[in-house]
Amino acid sequence: TQLLEQSPQFLSIQEGENLTVYCNSSSVFSSLQWYRQEPGEGPVLLVTVVTGGEVKKLKRLTFQFGDARKDSSLHITAAQPGDTGLYLCAGYINDYKLSFGAGTTVTVRA
Amino acid sequence: DVKVTQSSRYLVKRTGEKVFLECVQDMDHENMFWYRQDPGLGLRLIYFSYDVKMKEKGDIPEGYSVSREKKERFSLILESASTNQTSMYLCASFSSYNSPLHFGNGTRLTVT
Repeated sequence: TQLLEQSPQFLSIQEGENLTVYCNSSSVFSSLQWYRQEPGEGPVLLVTVVTGGEVKKLKRLTFQFGDARKDSSLHITAAQPGDTGLYLCAGYINDYKLSFGAGTTVTVRA
Repeated sequence: DVKVTQSSRYLVKRTGEKVFLECVQDMDHENMFWYRQDPGLGLRLIYFSYDVKMKEKGDIPEGYSVSREKKERFSLILESASTNQTSMYLCASFSSYNSPLHFGNGTRLTVT
């Protein structure tokens, strides 16, 4: 059983559309991170959210941390083919250990 | 830029073989990790190390061991490879809590 549940598992949209990926848990996390992984590469950190209710923007990507610090979302506005990849959320269990969700595979069709 | 280098991109081994996966990082990070990645399961932690010669079991350590003789190098050892260890293996390092986890590009291991 995953500590962090991501939904949906797969998402395929047309270029220019918006999308949202969800990351939920019954546990409280002190912080959550979002990573993107492209084929043949390791995941790369996009953002860390640390405060309940926090919203962070990275160009067309908006990340939100839930007020209770149990969930997070990633919203992409006007998606582009370059946004294609596997999106992973991760939360710290303790000072060293990150627990990852299963990931959401996003495909943006040109 | 932090670089985490995994020695092999692809490996094919036979059941029962001893397999070594090597990982080197160049940023003097104390903390290093080995994950395996399987479709639908995400990344699962096998072992981690927070200092030279120190190691801690992760969530799925069975069938694996690790070695950290030098700060920059963290090795994953499959004592007797089995087909259920066919997977993508990712090495990572970070400097401290909440800092980015830096990953290598992975080793895709196939055990036949």
